[in-house]
Amino acid sequence: DVKVTQSSRYLVKRTGEKVFLECVQDMDHENMFWYRQDPGLGLRLIYFSYDVKMKEKGDIPEGYSVSREKKERFSLILESASTNQTSMYLCASSSPRQAPGGYGYTFGSGTRLTVV
Amino acid sequence: AQKITQTQPGMFVQEKEAVTLDCTYDTSDQSYGLFWYKQPSSGEMIFLIYQGSYDEQNATEGRYSLNFQKARKSANLVISASQLGDSAMYFCAMRGANDYKLSFGAGTTVTVRA
Repeated sequence: DVKVTQSSRYLVKRTGEKVFLECVQDMDHENMFWYRQDPGLGLRLIYFSYDVKMKEKGDIPEGYSVSREKKERFSLILESASTNQTSMYLCASSSPRQAPGGYGYTFGSGTRLTVV
Repeated sequence: AQKITQTQPGMFVQEKEAVTLDCTYDTSDQSYGLFWYKQPSSGEMIFLIYQGSYDEQNATEGRYSLNFQKARKSANLVISASQLGDSAMYFCAMRGANDYKLSFGAGTTVTVRA
């Protein structure tokens, strides 16, 4: 019954490291998203992709990049990790074919990243 | 751009009582969708309920109901007969017309007391 899988549940990285967060979905969804979740701020959109090799910036793209070479996989890259990128990262996917209302999300279980 | 406001950072509720979580939104779109998600301490996001802007009836799913007041741009979640397992963070979210992405509120933490 696995739908959206994030490669790591917990991750500790050093400042300046290049960090890859991987997300894979097995539902043939067109759209994939990366959010970060911080207390009091809710979920903020970093990047999203509506097709292979397509990407669009969300509300807070600075310091991040993404890659979508295959439909099922969407990677978030922290080019040079900083302590202010310590957060919970949530991946999600969606499809207009999906109930309810189309475009409802299926989420991964999240990656809690700590940058030291 | 859509904006979601949840003004209650945290709430306590007694087991078996009902609780209402507030959500207001701001959009210029005529067609939009409203969602509520639950996030237990384990971190997973669980879809609870959906309301379309043109739906005439308020959405219900088991113990969850959505009090949709379009003119006031409010979409409050009502949880009836609270259970200890309802303790979690709850997020209100919105998708605009022709939009792929959801915008989320800051969330409300609900703690159910025995």
